[in-house]
Amino acid sequence: DVKVTQSSRYLVKRTGEKVFLECVQDMDHENMFWYRQDPGLGLRLIYFSYDVKMKEKGDIPEGYSVSREKKERFSLILESASTNQTSMYLCASGGQSYEQYFGPGTRLTVT
Amino acid sequence: GQQVMQIPQYQHVQEGEDFTTYCNSSTTLSNIQWYKQRPGGHPVFLIQLVKSGEVKKQKRLTFQFGEAKKNSSLHITATQTTDVGTYFCAGKGTYKYIFGTGTRLKVLA
Repeated sequence: DVKVTQSSRYLVKRTGEKVFLECVQDMDHENMFWYRQDPGLGLRLIYFSYDVKMKEKGDIPEGYSVSREKKERFSLILESASTNQTSMYLCASGGQSYEQYFGPGTRLTVT
Repeated sequence: GQQVMQIPQYQHVQEGEDFTTYCNSSTTLSNIQWYKQRPGGHPVFLIQLVKSGEVKKQKRLTFQFGEAKKNSSLHITATQTTDVGTYFCAGKGTYKYIFGTGTRLKVLA
């Protein structure tokens, strides 16, 4: 079975803190994705990566950065967390033309 | 930019009734995927449609891809309480998938 794991299920951070969300997949997928999910807005793509050290902006990259030093790991970084970044963050891996496998999600609250 | 709209946003049905959710894209899609997210869970892949006019079935679920490859639908026959969740379509644009806003289905026993 494909497994995508995320470092935390719940996280509470203060405004201005630097936040790291980690995602690891065990299926040797080239592509990895970070989404945020908010009520009524569905899943919105923040960043994706199609290879190690490669990254592409999604639809809402502002306030975020990513790192992919190893194929299995894709990190999302909030340089200076703000309250409008309170959300559910979902990581996924897969191919451009294949199904995406999602992790369990990290519910981030910024106070 | 490319947009994928999904309707309805919410749907409550009595158990045994049918349910349909519709997905419409502003641009032609190369393919479309459907996902289901149970309450408290994460999206899980259901199916992918690639060909114009394609119809696929999974037990009580029927998926269609429009002739113009700009719309799609998911129809559930005789809903059950296990069908509860949010159904998302995801249309493939040039480089990435764009997810619809989802339809949240509640099934009343």
